[in-house]
Amino acid sequence: GDSVTQMEGPVTLSEEAFLTINCTYTATGYPSLFWYVQYPGEGLQLLLKATKADDKGSNKGFEATYRKETTSFHLEKGSVQVSDSAVYFCALSDNAGGGADGLTFGKGTHLIIQP
Amino acid sequence: NAGVTQTPKFQVLKTGQSMTLQCAQDMNHEYMSWYRQDPGMGLRLIHYSVGAGITDQGEVPNGYNVSRSTTEDFPLRLLSAAPSQTSVYFCASSYRGTGPFGYTFGSGTRLTVV
Repeated sequence: GDSVTQMEGPVTLSEEAFLTINCTYTATGYPSLFWYVQYPGEGLQLLLKATKADDKGSNKGFEATYRKETTSFHLEKGSVQVSDSAVYFCALSDNAGGGADGLTFGKGTHLIIQP
Repeated sequence: NAGVTQTPKFQVLKTGQSMTLQCAQDMNHEYMSWYRQDPGMGLRLIHYSVGAGITDQGEVPNGYNVSRSTTEDFPLRLLSAAPSQTSVYFCASSYRGTGPFGYTFGSGTRLTVV
């Protein structure tokens, strides 16, 4: 079955540092890929997405590129802020089913940004 | 536009009790799904629905029932609660289509079974 593997946390960085959170996936078809963010005590918010190989998703200074050859979708940001502290989830959906059967998530990466 | 609304936000149950977690969306989304979030496990799919009257099991369906009588509502029922069902539960919804739009999530229900 489909699976998503992302780097374990917590990841602790200083403000203005460069961020990379690694995500790799296993899927039988050609999935769509997502990054969700969860702030303390809240639900998940869609951060960015990519639906086919070489697509780049971007939002709020975050970027991720769909790499079919390495089955990866790493999240990056050039200069993190304290407000970026949250848990980040990489996820995929099966395009063959049009995304009907929900999402497969990684275990999440807790990001802590220190001033 | 309320999005996805989950009630209650918090609940404590005794082992063996039953309850229903409510989920409603006002976006006319065809797809809805339930997840549980446990520490170190990410989110795991419990049940999902592709439209009114159609439901199917996800990765961890045991101990949970669902039904979908309307497009808007997708309740999750715990028939006989167990401590292993202590978790945070999220409901999500999405449009139908070949290009997934991503799912919209509710704010969650934190359930404790004692």
